Amino acid sequence: DTGVSQDPRHKITKRGQNVTFRCDPISEHNRLYWYRQTLGQGPEFLTYFQNEAQLEKSRLLSDRFSAERPKGSFSTLEIQRTEQGDSAMYLCASSLADTGNTIYFGEGSWLTVV
Amino acid sequence: LAKTTQPISMDSYEGQEVNITCSHNNIATNDYITWYQQFPSQGPRFIIQGYKTKVTNEVASLFIPADRKSSTLSLPRVSLSDTAVYYCLVGDLRYQKVTFGTGTKLQVIP
Repeated sequence: DTGVSQDPRHKITKRGQNVTFRCDPISEHNRLYWYRQTLGQGPEFLTYFQNEAQLEKSRLLSDRFSAERPKGSFSTLEIQRTEQGDSAMYLCASSLADTGNTIYFGEGSWLTVV
Repeated sequence: LAKTTQPISMDSYEGQEVNITCSHNNIATNDYITWYQQFPSQGPRFIIQGYKTKVTNEVASLFIPADRKSSTLSLPRVSLSDTAVYYCLVGDLRYQKVTFGTGTKLQVIP
């Protein structure tokens, strides 16, 4: 499978704990995006990278959220001191910056904070 | 990113053609029109993209009038498995923050 891969697919955590999600983009895609989606709503943009550089962050990305893409390949999204309001599906997507005007999504990582 | 307006929900019987129209009055010259499909608990899946006139692939057709202020996604002979949320997006998705909105929830009825 050469699509965007996300891990874990589901995570249940207690409030206050830290969680980390991993995303492996489509091979050779130099842009990587993180979105968040809550029930009944469309995905909301969080941040994106071109190679290892984080180029934009949404105001939705509070201080408790941090994303990295250290080698310009896979990316991690960490949420510190989780709150119940963080419960959502976290989506990763990737694209080629220079060619192809679309982005491809992974299957998402569901987070439930109890 | 251009704002889009699409119906909140639609119902259709199996085997019928479904047309979902999206309005985007402030579309910019360089903007593309892209449609995604999303099933519950899955990530959005790219369906089709176009700039003007008509685009067709193995899944759907996209009709774009000359003024490009609207577009219509056409799904031929829908089946129960086409029940999903369909999102219309306008812009260059590589360079712009994508706003999905709430999409159109299509319910296919047996």
